[in-house]
Amino acid sequence: GAGVSQSPRYKVTKRGQDVALRCDPISGHVSLYWYRQALGQGPEFLTYFNYEAQQDKSGLPNDRFSAERPEGSISTLTIQRTEQRDSAMYRCASSLTGAVSEQFFGPGTRLTVL
Amino acid sequence: KQEVTQIPAALSVPEGENLVLNCSFTDSAIYNLQWFRQDPGKGLTSLLLIQSSQREQTSGRLNASLDKSSGRSTLYIAASQPGDSATYLCAVRPILSNDYKLSFGAGTTVTVRA
Repeated sequence: GAGVSQSPRYKVTKRGQDVALRCDPISGHVSLYWYRQALGQGPEFLTYFNYEAQQDKSGLPNDRFSAERPEGSISTLTIQRTEQRDSAMYRCASSLTGAVSEQFFGPGTRLTVL
Repeated sequence: KQEVTQIPAALSVPEGENLVLNCSFTDSAIYNLQWFRQDPGKGLTSLLLIQSSQREQTSGRLNASLDKSSGRSTLYIAASQPGDSATYLCAVRPILSNDYKLSFGAGTTVTVRA
């Protein structure tokens, strides 16, 4: 079966522009997570959804970052007024439920802000 | 805050040698620990998941041990092959209910020389 997919795989944008990153989880997976990974570091948690409900957004760095999952499947992470420091790999993961917590990751979106 | 450390940061071995990768964490109140493999341009591939009640997990040439009380896990890869070259990440999930975020180490980058 298909794994977690993310689009676009690469995004280059100019400072000040808004970007939207998409995640399509494994079919039937209830839980969805967003992480951000800087070069040479491990991923850091951003936010978590259970179905369509955003259960935890404690990792979002500031109010320019938002995420939604309106129908409990595909999720979008939006970054408004991008800054150079937002450049990173953005990774999405899903799990069957939060309790059965093996998380499966997508290929990531490499965001570069010029 | 949970801190996860992986030593060494990089490792180069000749083909056929056994690999030993270390992961330590500061808070022993974990629900499980997961080992991932990261390849350039690809997502994170889950290798092994060890529940807090388990001491080890095995899959093929891979064996992971967990000593929760001392905050340590070790990933052993037997008879390494060039295809094992990748970055290996460990991640822990806290024991708190409704807290599903993973805390990652920075990874160990492995090179297996043919």
